[in-house]
Amino acid sequence: EIVLTQSPGTLSLSPGERATLSCRASQSVTKNCLAWYQHKPGQAPRLLIHGTSSRATGIPDRFSGSGSGTDFTLTISRLEPEDFAVYYCQQYGRSPPTTFGGGTKVEIK
Amino acid sequence: QVQLQQWGAGLLKPSETLSLTCAVYGATFSGYEWRWIWIRQPPGKGLEWIGETNHRGSSNYNPSFKTRVSISIDTSKNQFSLQLRSMTAADTAVYYCARGRVGEATFWWHFYGLDVWGQGTTVTVSS
Repeated sequence: EIVLTQSPGTLSLSPGERATLSCRASQSVTKNCLAWYQHKPGQAPRLLIHGTSSRATGIPDRFSGSGSGTDFTLTISRLEPEDFAVYYCQQYGRSPPTTFGGGTKVEIK
Repeated sequence: QVQLQQWGAGLLKPSETLSLTCAVYGATFSGYEWRWIWIRQPPGKGLEWIGETNHRGSSNYNPSFKTRVSISIDTSKNQFSLQLRSMTAADTAVYYCARGRVGEATFWWHFYGLDVWGQGTTVTVSS
């Protein structure tokens, strides 16, 4: 099983600032297998990024993903008020199980 | 627009069986690229994959649940279901159904993400 470790656990930032979230895998993950989600309380998670860097439909371009091998990053270029939430990375390869990271909470400073 | 709507009992006693159903609107199960997935989130914790099925009814499960979980599909009703047996307080969580999409060829694989989710069902296990 591939373990995904997200850091930091909590990111305290102000609107307008840049957020950089990390997702580190216990073994190499193919770029095509890495996705990111945004999760707000009382709502279902929302797909942001698939294939490491491809934005899902309707996702604003302030969200971007990058990385390869065992290190992946989600960047929010300028935080909007609606971006404060928990973010999860997920790897999903040919062989199960798929796994999620533990999440990074982006909170208002 | 594709929507998933889920339902099932929200309060269970220890040892009982959880049964949840997820109805798919605006899409069909046919197509090798779709995966129909159950995920949960215990209070204060992250997301956990329970298992999934495809249009052929072929299922994969998280080893942590493997002995007590089953996921089935009813193509005639456009629904898929989760059963989790021998529930305990540790199974208290919000349960989600979701749709995943993959692209696959002999030497190529792409995961397009879990793009549609159910609204979530809060399940509490308490005596």
